[in-house]
Amino acid sequence: DIVMTQSPLSLPVTLGQPASISCRSSQSLVHSDGNTYLSWFQQRPGQSPRRLIYRVSKRDSGVPDRFSGSGSGTDFTLQISRVEAEDIGLYYCMQGTRWPMFTFGQGTKLEIK
Amino acid sequence: EVQLVESGGGLVQPGGSLRLSCTASGFTFSSYWMSWVRQSPGRGLEWVANIKHDGSEKNYVDFVKGRFTISRDNAKNSLYLQMNSLRAEDTAVYYCATLASSSWGNWGQGTLVTVSS
Repeated sequence: DIVMTQSPLSLPVTLGQPASISCRSSQSLVHSDGNTYLSWFQQRPGQSPRRLIYRVSKRDSGVPDRFSGSGSGTDFTLQISRVEAEDIGLYYCMQGTRWPMFTFGQGTKLEIK
Repeated sequence: EVQLVESGGGLVQPGGSLRLSCTASGFTFSSYWMSWVRQSPGRGLEWVANIKHDGSEKNYVDFVKGRFTISRDNAKNSLYLQMNSLRAEDTAVYYCATLASSSWGNWGQGTLVTVSS
């Protein structure tokens, strides 16, 4: 199975400042079709997960452009250009390359300093 | 607006059974692969099972194989998860979600399953 490792697990940030979450996979996430199936999910307190980014860098409809995804192979990053109060919660990366054995990272808790 | 509404969760004893349901609206249900994903404090988010648009293909994570069965009724826009031989470690919030491009774009609100004596 592919293991997804996120860091940091806790991320205190100041409002208006940038934030960055790293996600590393134990194997390359490049699929034989040439795509890389790496997604990012946000889970606000008391809510269901919500997808922000799919295929490394494609932003979902309605997701603010302060969220961006990047990376390749085994190393990926979710960046928030300017953190807002509504961004607090848990963030998860997920690989869908090794269909159907999808796996998530452990989650990163974003909190306001 | 896409809506997924889960139901059927509750308290069940170890070894017992439970059937979860997910009712979909706001999209063409019969065109989508669907999944069950669960979340527990100790194990985080875990994919549980997938089912193809027409029900002809099903996938399960190893630790539920032989115990859980995913199914769907496209005429009723509904997804199901039959859970048998439940264990304490199956305690979690269970979400149904739409699966496309190897990721889940829409999630329900979840239903809590507690396995305890």
